[in-house]
Amino acid sequence: GAVVSQHPSWVICKSGTSVKIECRSLDFQATTMFWYRQFPKQSLMLMATSNEGSKATYEQGVEKDKFLINHASLTLSTLTVTSAHPEDSSFYICSCPDRGTDTQYFGPGTRLTVL
Amino acid sequence: AQTVTQSQPEMSVQEAETVTLSCTYDTSESNYYLFWYKQPPSRQMILVIRQEAYKQQNATENRFSVNFQKAAKSFSLKISDSQLGDTAMYFCAFMTPQGGSEKLVFGKGMKLTVNP
Repeated sequence: GAVVSQHPSWVICKSGTSVKIECRSLDFQATTMFWYRQFPKQSLMLMATSNEGSKATYEQGVEKDKFLINHASLTLSTLTVTSAHPEDSSFYICSCPDRGTDTQYFGPGTRLTVL
Repeated sequence: AQTVTQSQPEMSVQEAETVTLSCTYDTSESNYYLFWYKQPPSRQMILVIRQEAYKQQNATENRFSVNFQKAAKSFSLKISDSQLGDTAMYFCAFMTPQGGSEKLVFGKGMKLTVNP
């Protein structure tokens, strides 16, 4: 299957700082990428759809000013958690749909801990 | 709105046995895809198997096969000859192709433990 990378794999930051997470599709172009959040022992919760060259589409209840998404190229999307607080601590996962197979492939995830 | 239900939160099975994971879904769409993803302790989401709704034949991938019952809106996963490496969370997911925004709808997941 297709390969999607995420960086960093884990990050610890102080409350009030901003953290950027990168998602890259390594072997296909992705005009759309998805960002999820996952709490322990729970399913994935879709946060937003990242659209190349245009604004992201956020799910209901997700603060767009807090979770900034930029999709500057066909292989890279970034999620920036601004002014992070301990309640933002979570596991963040991105996915990229391979249009050729109508299948989404996932990055390995980023564990964010805000102190 | 589409929904996916996994009613069994947890199962355990002995190595080499066969186990079936259940999934039901609700949709009014006629064209859609169904998936099973596996999430081992590493938390990497791994595609196990996919099924196109328009195909009557059940998908198979080595030890993994599905029982797709479109009329009943059921999509169960059978794992044959279970291995220790099959221990993971398993998520059933649904997707309607929308030509640009193919969102996945996930079930709550089921924790499978394969015991030696």
